[in-house]
Amino acid sequence: DAKTTQPPSMDCAEGRAANLPCNHSTISGNEYVYWYRQIHSQGPQYIIHGLKNNETNEMASLIITEDRKSSTLILPHATLRDTAVYYCIVRPVSGGSNYKLTFGKGTLLTVNP
Amino acid sequence: GAVVSQHPSWVICKSGTSVKIECRSLDFQATTMFWYRQFPKQSLMLMATSNEGSKATYEQGVEKDKFLINHASLTLSTLTVTSAHPEDSSFYICSARGQGGLGYTFGSGTRLTVV
Repeated sequence: DAKTTQPPSMDCAEGRAANLPCNHSTISGNEYVYWYRQIHSQGPQYIIHGLKNNETNEMASLIITEDRKSSTLILPHATLRDTAVYYCIVRPVSGGSNYKLTFGKGTLLTVNP
Repeated sequence: GAVVSQHPSWVICKSGTSVKIECRSLDFQATTMFWYRQFPKQSLMLMATSNEGSKATYEQGVEKDKFLINHASLTLSTLTVTSAHPEDSSFYICSARGQGGLGYTFGSGTRLTVV
């Protein structure tokens, strides 16, 4: 049970912003939202995570709604190398080191020239 | 940042033989290691969780005698696929966490093909 819902696929033009939505309507107050991506035939790569506030790093921005039931990952200027499957995952803040990440089906983002 | 080195990146073996996959944490101590399997066009499925010096905990439906996991040190975990069969052909990925850390660092994966 992945606890998140994402569209199966999205397209984006190179150079434009890619906005990837995620629904996590059953999220609890002590759960993080994590985003990973997996480029074909590679291991997943960490992108960003957040709890309540919006977050930004060198890769992306994470916008979490006030009720925390959904979030959007924003890649501000998508490149062809951003073509990948993007996974949105929730996990407890106090899950301990044994807490396992459960992957859903993710969103296949295709960046077109 | 944290790096996990996974080897080999790909391997072809004959049916009935065993294959060992290694994952090493290069710049941190991996107190917990996770092993995933991914079939084509599917998501990652967790196989087992291991803590250094302890027996691994396997997910339901994963045969512990077929997929042997060793996590004898804080920087090395191995997955051995014993008596491999064509249906074991898959992409195997490890993930490591350090004590107290929030992050999960993934290896680059191993493509196993059993012929």
